[in-house]
Amino acid sequence: DVKVTQSSRYLVKRTGEKVFLECVQDMDHENMFWYRQDPGLGLRLIYFSYDVKMKEKGDIPEGYSVSREKKERFSLILESASTNQTSMYLCASSSEFVSNQPQHFGDGTRLSIL
Amino acid sequence: AQSVTQLDSQVPVFEEAPVELRCNYSSSVSVYLFWYVQYPNQGLQLLLKYLSGSTLVKGINGFEAEFNKSQTSFHLRKPSVHISDTAEYFCAVSAKNQGGKLIFGQGTELSVKP
Repeated sequence: DVKVTQSSRYLVKRTGEKVFLECVQDMDHENMFWYRQDPGLGLRLIYFSYDVKMKEKGDIPEGYSVSREKKERFSLILESASTNQTSMYLCASSSEFVSNQPQHFGDGTRLSIL
Repeated sequence: AQSVTQLDSQVPVFEEAPVELRCNYSSSVSVYLFWYVQYPNQGLQLLLKYLSGSTLVKGINGFEAEFNKSQTSFHLRKPSVHISDTAEYFCAVSAKNQGGKLIFGQGTELSVKP
């Protein structure tokens, strides 16, 4: 069965810290995505990657960066955390560079920045 | 560009009653359409998808959705809901030329009461 694993379910960090959120998929999927989920706003795409070492900005990339050194792992980095980055973060993966493949999601990381 | 509007942020309903969750989209190109469900403290799970062919699509857990191209809608329905259907539901679209990026609606909270 498809499995996307996010390293932490809950995380509390302080303003100004560098924060790493890790995501691993075991399906050999080419595509990986990072979203943030906020009440009333649905899911918004932060960054995505179609291949190792490749990355593209989504709709809200400001304040974030990503790293994909291996096919199965996609990391989201908050360079200097701020309180407005308190949110639920969801990682997803999908196969092939086509639009009709569903995305498979991890359980999310609820991040609080104090 | 694409956009998705879920017309109801919250839908309360009694157990065994029918339910319809409404979704409208706009796009200048052809799209694929998806419904995802998010149970409390979990990631998103695919309910159903419309790619082509019959406009009535059946998904898991007794849900179905109908694609209406003229009205640019993709409403989700279930004839008789259970307590266990309480969750948040997201409609999403993927443009056929954009390599799997999803645009999500704001979400609809379905609350099933005994």
